[in-house]
Amino acid sequence: GESVGLHLPTLSVQEGDNSIINCAYSNSASDYFIWYKQESGKGPQFIIDIRSNMDKRQGQRVTVLLNKTVKHLSLQIAATQPGDSAVYFCAEPPGESGGYQKVTFGTGTKLQVIP
Amino acid sequence: DVKVTQSSRYLVKRTGEKVFLECVQDMDHENMFWYRQDPGLGLRLIYFSYDVKMKEKGDIPEGYSVSREKKERFSLILESASTNQTSMYLCASSPRGRAGELFFGEGSRLTVL
Repeated sequence: GESVGLHLPTLSVQEGDNSIINCAYSNSASDYFIWYKQESGKGPQFIIDIRSNMDKRQGQRVTVLLNKTVKHLSLQIAATQPGDSAVYFCAEPPGESGGYQKVTFGTGTKLQVIP
Repeated sequence: DVKVTQSSRYLVKRTGEKVFLECVQDMDHENMFWYRQDPGLGLRLIYFSYDVKMKEKGDIPEGYSVSREKKERFSLILESASTNQTSMYLCASSPRGRAGELFFGEGSRLTVL
């Protein structure tokens, strides 16, 4: 079946450094991806999305890169801050042939920021 | 401030009890979802609804049912709670046509003894 997965379950980063969180996907027909952030004790929050007609999209301190050739996307956080400590999920909303309204989530990567 | 509100943050129930988890959203979203979240397994979809009185099974619907009598409210029901249903339950909503743009509640942590 289709799957969305993450390479690293836990990532420790020094405050001020850049963070890179990776995600692999298996459905080559996927055309839309979303990154969510989940802080401890809270529900996930939308961070940024990217469509398959783009290779890169930038937000405030975050950049998402999409490599369709190897079916890989990454989330880059610049100048990581303690408030960035959270679990990050990549998510894959369904395409035309996918399940109606179903979103597939990866298992998540925990980002720990070291002060 | 728009939000998704889950009625209970923490619940403790006994095996065999009937459990209701309530979720209300104030964003007039058509789509609503129930996920459970377990360590190492991530977020798994239980049920979703794309309209009032409509429901669709997600990936793990067994042991659960749902109710959507009003657009803003989506309830998850455990008819007879079991210990393997101990989990964090997350409700979410999204607007029509933008299924992936989910707004989540804070979660309800259920412990079944």
